[in-house]
Amino acid sequence: QVQLQESGPGLLKPSETLSLTCAVSGGSVSSGSQFWSWIRQPPGKGLEWIGYMHYSGTTNYNPSLKSRVTISIDTSKNQFSLRLRSVTATDTAVYYCARAPYAIYFDYWGQGTLVTVSS
Amino acid sequence: EIVLTQSPGTLSLSPGERATLSCRASQSVSSSCLAWYQQKPGQAPRLLIYAASSRATGIPDRFSGSGSGTDFTLTISRLEPEDFAVYYCQQYGSSSVTFGQGTRLEIK
Repeated sequence: QVQLQESGPGLLKPSETLSLTCAVSGGSVSSGSQFWSWIRQPPGKGLEWIGYMHYSGTTNYNPSLKSRVTISIDTSKNQFSLRLRSVTATDTAVYYCARAPYAIYFDYWGQGTLVTVSS
Repeated sequence: EIVLTQSPGTLSLSPGERATLSCRASQSVSSSCLAWYQQKPGQAPRLLIYAASSRATGIPDRFSGSGSGTDFTLTISRLEPEDFAVYYCQQYGSSSVTFGQGTRLEIK
């Protein structure tokens, strides 16, 4: 059974960089068909895809966030990470990591971590 | 970007009734790239349906998906108390992912 677990700071100040890590167990981030993704959900609102990465180096990001986002994979630690630069209050959300077979849908999710941006 | 519009926004039904949730796309979506999720308060979304009509592992057969092109439907044949939640559709196309805004299924 694949399990994903997010970790990282829960409180940031405006203009700082959000950094989250997703540890994967029960599966490998080097699996050929799997893309590793980040999705967020502002409090009381819907889901927003942030981006995904394949271990080969292929990445794709939401156009609305592309200028501020970097997703990376560490195969030696079997984990992947999200960096979102220059955060503002509108980046306050629960951040989920998820696995996406062939990048098409999301079959395993982490439990989510709330990140609050406030001065 | 493909916009997904879900209707209704809120659906009020009783246990045992049939629920029909709609997801309409702003342009054609490949059936293999349309999925449905269920989300309960404080929980991560759970994959219900992928490729428009294939149930994910462990999903009861009262959940079914259908549709093609720009119109897709999630049907719950007989509502159980645990089915009251928010449901999202999601598409993948042109290397981009979008979600619908969600339908809240509440107990009448």
